[in-house]
Amino acid sequence: LAKTTQPISMDSYEGQEVNITCSHNNIATNDYITWYQQFPSQGPRFIIQGYKTKVTNEVASLFIPADRKSSTLSLPRVSLSDTAVYYCLVVPPSGTYKYIFGTGTRLKVLA
Amino acid sequence: DTAVSQTPKYLVTQMGNDKSIKCEQNLGHDTMYWYKQDSKKFLKIMFSYNNKELIINETVPNRFSPKSPDKAHLNLHINSLELGDSAVYFCASSGIGTSGTQYFGPGTRLLVL
Repeated sequence: LAKTTQPISMDSYEGQEVNITCSHNNIATNDYITWYQQFPSQGPRFIIQGYKTKVTNEVASLFIPADRKSSTLSLPRVSLSDTAVYYCLVVPPSGTYKYIFGTGTRLKVLA
Repeated sequence: DTAVSQTPKYLVTQMGNDKSIKCEQNLGHDTMYWYKQDSKKFLKIMFSYNNKELIINETVPNRFSPKSPDKAHLNLHINSLELGDSAVYFCASSGIGTSGTQYFGPGTRLLVL
């Protein structure tokens, strides 16, 4: 599975938009880009997944450029409760998913 | 309605003991996983079962033995516990048509003394 690289940590203030970029230079043609969120003392939780261009749901938006070698998770108007670790993964569309979690990005939202 | 549940939530035990962690999912998924998250928060896959068959078996000591009595359950038995086994163990599941989305349980915090 493609290796991903993302910033180790980020700080933001409440109400701001937060963008976390992930690079995945070796992404395969059929791979999807998937983001997970992990709060302290909880298991990771699926946030959003996309293949190309832009995907939006009630939690976040995912921007993927044409070359798909990177992606950006956008969290609009963050609150203190968005403080968590965010993981970027690339996964194949079918089969058994041997997820490789990197270090993730520790987002700290400040009041 | 807990989708993926694990028991126990906390487990404190002595070195050398044998312990089991249970996982159940009510999502109808065919594939289940065990992950280990160590003190540095790295999350690593250990095992995966698909319809009760072992399909992923990472480099894990033989003291760890997963068992899947049916596709809704995946248990993890650990023999001769060592200090280094202290970690949080997460169970997860995924199904056909979910594009690989894995649903994680709340974790079992194991502390070996």
